[in-house]
Amino acid sequence: EPEVTQTPSHQVTQMGQEVILRCVPISNHLYFYWYRQILGQKVEFLVSFYNNEISEKSEIFDDQFSVERPDGSNFTLKIRSTKLEDSAMYFCASSQTDSNQPQHFGDGTRLSIL
Amino acid sequence: QKEVEQDPGPLSVPEGAIVSLNCTYSNSAFQYFMWYRQYSRKGPELLMYTYSSGNKEDGRFTAQVDKSSKYISLFIRDSQPSDSATYLCAIVDMDSNYQLIWGAGTKLIIKP
Repeated sequence: EPEVTQTPSHQVTQMGQEVILRCVPISNHLYFYWYRQILGQKVEFLVSFYNNEISEKSEIFDDQFSVERPDGSNFTLKIRSTKLEDSAMYFCASSQTDSNQPQHFGDGTRLSIL
Repeated sequence: QKEVEQDPGPLSVPEGAIVSLNCTYSNSAFQYFMWYRQYSRKGPELLMYTYSSGNKEDGRFTAQVDKSSKYISLFIRDSQPSDSATYLCAIVDMDSNYQLIWGAGTKLIIKP
């Protein structure tokens, strides 16, 4: 069964450094999402992306964050100048279309900021 | 306010028991409801996806939606130790480009 893959599984970075989290969505999916889950807290929506542009973003997704689909398969989340509070699990998801199609998730990247 | 409430548990039951997991939500406009299962160090795995009020069954799993009460449930029959995981409800917010609004997740433990 096709799946969403994320790399790396664990990223350790010094505070203030930039990180790029990578995702390969399911190949025929058109809508892409990033969520994060701070340890012990709810999953939180960050951003949705369609047709090479952001369609929705949350308050969390400030100027520190950016997303890109650099080619036909990858979808990336960049965090500039990381902060301690950025430490979390980051999940990528994709869906075939919008609205009533379910989102399928990768196994996440655990980001640890030191 | 768009909130989804879910008891975090843990909920511990013996193997073979029927498990009932529940969420309540605040926005009566919500229409699409999902249940995900999350094992430790893994991403959420879609279990059930429902639209209308009523029941939807898939094997040992039954999802139930009561829109009048703003209440959704997931039932697991003949529970197995391999069902031990965190179960998250998620609701599609169609007013915000279909982002998911999540419950806190209920940690389920099935004792052999």
